[in-house]
Amino acid sequence: SQQGEEDPQALSIQEGENATMNCSYKTSINNLQWYRQNSGRGLVHLILIRSNEREKHSGRLRVTLDTSKKSSSLLITASRAADTASYFCATRSNYQLIWGAGTKLIIKP
Amino acid sequence: NAGVTQTPKFQVLKTGQSMTLQCAQDMNHNSMYWYRQDPGMGLRLIYYSASEGTTDKGEVPNGYNVSRLNKREFSLRLESAAPSQTSVYFCASLRDRAGDQPQHFGDGTRLSIL
Repeated sequence: SQQGEEDPQALSIQEGENATMNCSYKTSINNLQWYRQNSGRGLVHLILIRSNEREKHSGRLRVTLDTSKKSSSLLITASRAADTASYFCATRSNYQLIWGAGTKLIIKP
Repeated sequence: NAGVTQTPKFQVLKTGQSMTLQCAQDMNHNSMYWYRQDPGMGLRLIYYSASEGTTDKGEVPNGYNVSRLNKREFSLRLESAAPSQTSVYFCASLRDRAGDQPQHFGDGTRLSIL
């Protein structure tokens, strides 16, 4: 069964705007990871946040984790056309990753 | 540096046919995984291999078998394909499942069962 649920399922914004995606999960985790999938391609790792961390940055990406609410958010600042993709959260519990259904992000020029 | 390579990229089968999906990684990773991705759903784990010589069932193993041929290669076999197995199949590798590292993915095999 799937643990993570992304919200929204789809998001369409203008280039230059910020995009925020949310992920909720059900059980305790070791870490939470975000991946990007371009159309027709495999998933590419973006950022990992450990269960004892609350916020992490990588370039234009900012991830937060609230273990009390079992939720995480991914913020992409100053979006670009190349950010158009599907974004997935995955929670690591024991030795497996459990995946959400993803958020489809479209950046309009 | 190729990373994770999957073959074939596309395949169409008839119900009841068999085939093997191939996966190879050149990163000297210990763990390898097979997932399926269906529309509107996240990845679902079919089988995984924590290390060379071991394989374990994931969430949706029925109808599939796997072989960890060596450290580099992990194949997925459909013995008697069914339309419900129409999906995109991804192979992934991980350096060490005990650590905090990301999984590395191939570009997938798009499989249609008629």
